[in-house]
Amino acid sequence: DAKTTQPPSMDCAEGRAANLPCNHSTISGNEYVYWYRQIHSQGPQYIIHGLKNNETNEMASLIITEDRKSSTMILPHATLRDTAVYYCTVANAGGTSYGKLTFGQGTILTVHP
Amino acid sequence: DAGVIQSPRHEVTEMGQEVTLRCKPISGHDYLFWYRQTMMRGLELLIYFNNNVPIDDSGMPEDRFSAKMPNASFSTLKIQPSEPRDSAVYFCASRPGTENTGELFFGEGSRLTVL
Repeated sequence: DAKTTQPPSMDCAEGRAANLPCNHSTISGNEYVYWYRQIHSQGPQYIIHGLKNNETNEMASLIITEDRKSSTMILPHATLRDTAVYYCTVANAGGTSYGKLTFGQGTILTVHP
Repeated sequence: DAGVIQSPRHEVTEMGQEVTLRCKPISGHDYLFWYRQTMMRGLELLIYFNNNVPIDDSGMPEDRFSAKMPNASFSTLKIQPSEPRDSAVYFCASRPGTENTGELFFGEGSRLTVL
């Protein structure tokens, strides 16, 4: 039973913002939203995470709705190298349990020239 | 830092053979995770260690799978005997214990094919 749902694929033009949605309607109060991506034949790469406030780092921004049932991860200026599978997941942060991640099928983002 | 290092990157073996996958976590990281990724089931956690001690092995599929962490810089995942359904990419990941940046550091994976 998937805890998150994402669209299977999305396209984005190079240089434009890529907005990737994720639904996590059963998220519990102590669970964070995490985003990772996986470029072909490589290991997953951490992008960003958040609890309830919007977050921004050097790679992306994360917008979480007030009810925390959905979020959007934004790559502000997509490049061809951002073509990858993007995974949204929820998990507890910190302590001994963090790291027990489950990835579903994710969203295949294709950035085109 | 060289990151999480896994070996071999690719392994092709025949059913019934023993397979050993190896992982060197990032120095100073207290947690080490073994994941398996397949098209059908996505990424699944098999087992994780904290300070070399197994904490949760509930994801290990069956007794054919075993994992050890004899010291802070080395872990193995062994499959004996291997079966075709074990074909997958196996990832090792690590994270520090004292700070939580939310980031797991993954290795490049070991692609296992069991014929």
